Amino acid sequence: DQQVKQNSPSLSVQEGRISILNCDYTNSMFDYFLWYKKYPAEGPTFLISISSIKDKNEDGRFTVFLNKSAKHLSLHIVPSQPGDSAVYFCAASARDDKIIFGKGTRLHILP
Amino acid sequence: DAGVIQSPRHEVTEMGQEVTLRCKPISGHNSLFWYRQTMMRGLELLIYFNNNVPIDDSGMPEDRFSAKMPNASFSTLKIQPSEPRDSAVYFCASNAGQIPYTQYFGPGTRLTVL
Repeated sequence: DQQVKQNSPSLSVQEGRISILNCDYTNSMFDYFLWYKKYPAEGPTFLISISSIKDKNEDGRFTVFLNKSAKHLSLHIVPSQPGDSAVYFCAASARDDKIIFGKGTRLHILP
Repeated sequence: DAGVIQSPRHEVTEMGQEVTLRCKPISGHNSLFWYRQTMMRGLELLIYFNNNVPIDDSGMPEDRFSAKMPNASFSTLKIQPSEPRDSAVYFCASNAGQIPYTQYFGPGTRLTVL
């Protein structure tokens, strides 16, 4: 049973527009949430995280929103750039260093 | 600083052969993780070590898989005997044991079992 779900396998967005990637989780014990980005033939790289005591965290063009009551988080990328084309993994941890990953969403930025 | 190092980057072998994947974590990191990525199952955790001790191996698919961490700077994941369904990309990651437990991944080993 998947504890972290990314229901959209892929997403296409026009360059310059906003990209919104969504993630749902089932385990209420999760207290940290992370987003990773992965290019082909490379390992995932950490992008941004958020603690369960916050509802928003921003880092440049990237903002993560957390809705604990809905067990939902989203990653916003504004404006989207060609280099943002990659697979994005949502992940969560519950007070230890084991991280549970979603299956990923492939983002295509269209010219 | 060098990141997580994995070798080999690509491995092609025949069914029934033994396969050994290697990982060197980032110096100073005390937790090491082995993941497998497939289209069907995404990125799944196989096993992780803390201070060289295996903590959780519940993701190891079966007895054909084994992992060791003899010291803080080296780990192996062994498959014996290998099967075609083991074909996947295997990642090693490490972290420094600090919230938010951000893990740093190696480039992965693409394994193909014929």
